[in-house]
Amino acid sequence: EAGVTQSPTHLIKTRGQQVTLRCSPISGHTSVYWYQQALGLGLQFLLWYDEGEERNRGNFPPRFSGRQFPNYSSELNVNALELEDSALYLCASSSRGTGGREKLFFGSGTQLSVL
Amino acid sequence: AQKVTQAQTEISVVEKEDVTLDCVYETRDTTYYLFWYKQPPSGELVFLIRRNSFDEQNEISGRYSWNFQKSTSSFNFTITASQVVDSAVYFCALRNGYNKLIFGAGTRLAVHP
Repeated sequence: EAGVTQSPTHLIKTRGQQVTLRCSPISGHTSVYWYQQALGLGLQFLLWYDEGEERNRGNFPPRFSGRQFPNYSSELNVNALELEDSALYLCASSSRGTGGREKLFFGSGTQLSVL
Repeated sequence: AQKVTQAQTEISVVEKEDVTLDCVYETRDTTYYLFWYKQPPSGELVFLIRRNSFDEQNEISGRYSWNFQKSTSSFNFTITASQVVDSAVYFCALRNGYNKLIFGAGTRLAVHP
């Protein structure tokens, strides 16, 4: 069975540009989570989608946005890129929420470099 | 508010040594879940264990063991007889109810031959 897949694996952009990252969850999973892992800052929660709706959002500016499609895949969009957006962006999926016990399964991430 | 603290930034051991990774958490909820994940150099986080707040029974799985103590809000992870393949960043995480999963800063473990 395929795991969580993310594309692209690497991306180089310049300041001010826009980027779209993609994530396909494990088959049968309805929840998708996005995390940012910048150097030295650990894993910062970005967004959580479940059944097509945004359930929770981390402390990030509005230029970070996303959506979840009817097939439960998801996109993360970042507008007006800044140097500090350089990070590994990890996507995870889980089965439908049942109170927090769900295990998250992670993809290998998209490494974004902003020059 | 929820918070996870992993005070150890980096640990370096020689193969076959035992090593314990510390995790301290904060939450006001009575029902919550604790997790440990491993992030090898490939970048993909791998689930290791989950514990709920009502189950303080400690667990051993092969060379891995976990010590959950609500009295000290700790959920420590021990690797016995460490191996080079254990080298990775280990994250402790906390989640309560229908909420986001919060990670600690991670502990980088280096096991040298």
